[in-house]
Amino acid sequence: DGGITQSPKYLFRKEGQNVTLSCEQNLNHDAMYWYRQDPGQGLRLIYYSQIVNDFQKGDIAEGYSVSREKKESFPLTVTSAQKNPTAFYLCASSIRLLDYEQYFGPGTRLTVT
Amino acid sequence: QKEVEQNSGPLSVPEGAIASLNCTYSDRGSQSFFWYRQYSGKSPELIMSIYSNGDKEDGRFTAQLNKASQYVSLLIRDSQPSDSATYLCAGPLSGGSNYKLTFGKGTLLTVNP
Repeated sequence: DGGITQSPKYLFRKEGQNVTLSCEQNLNHDAMYWYRQDPGQGLRLIYYSQIVNDFQKGDIAEGYSVSREKKESFPLTVTSAQKNPTAFYLCASSIRLLDYEQYFGPGTRLTVT
Repeated sequence: QKEVEQNSGPLSVPEGAIASLNCTYSDRGSQSFFWYRQYSGKSPELIMSIYSNGDKEDGRFTAQLNKASQYVSLLIRDSQPSDSATYLCAGPLSGGSNYKLTFGKGTLLTVNP
């Protein structure tokens, strides 16, 4: 079964702690993305990667970091510098960067108190 | 800033009716658009891609792209309660970052039995 997995589904953290969200895909896609979704807002791009060991900032990268050491994996770290981290985080992938048909994982709902 | 705008709704239709969801975009250079369906608490699911002017039909769904008017729509025929969801329109807006899908904020559709 090909797809994208994200873990955990729900995550609770105290303010000031860094937290890492997992994203794994077995679709053999080159490009991977991280989005954030807030109530009443569209999806906003945090980071994207078109190939292993390469990634670029999206529209709202401040307070986040990523790595792409393997094609299948694109973890996102939400640092304590992110001022409003509570949100629904979505990982997506596409065959290549300019292939706009993106497929999403199930998401991680992060709550920071 | 180039945008994708959706009528925010909510849109309510009776079961069996046609639901019409609309989206306008500000970038004349955009060549393709995508419709995603998002059930409450879940991640977006790609349901339609349209790459050329005109209509594209897939089962009960028809996507329409009018590049001259910068308008894209999704028609759902014979609406079912299971179609109740938020529908997101997305397009790759150019401007130096043509890798980036820009999402509308979504239209909430409710199909009443």
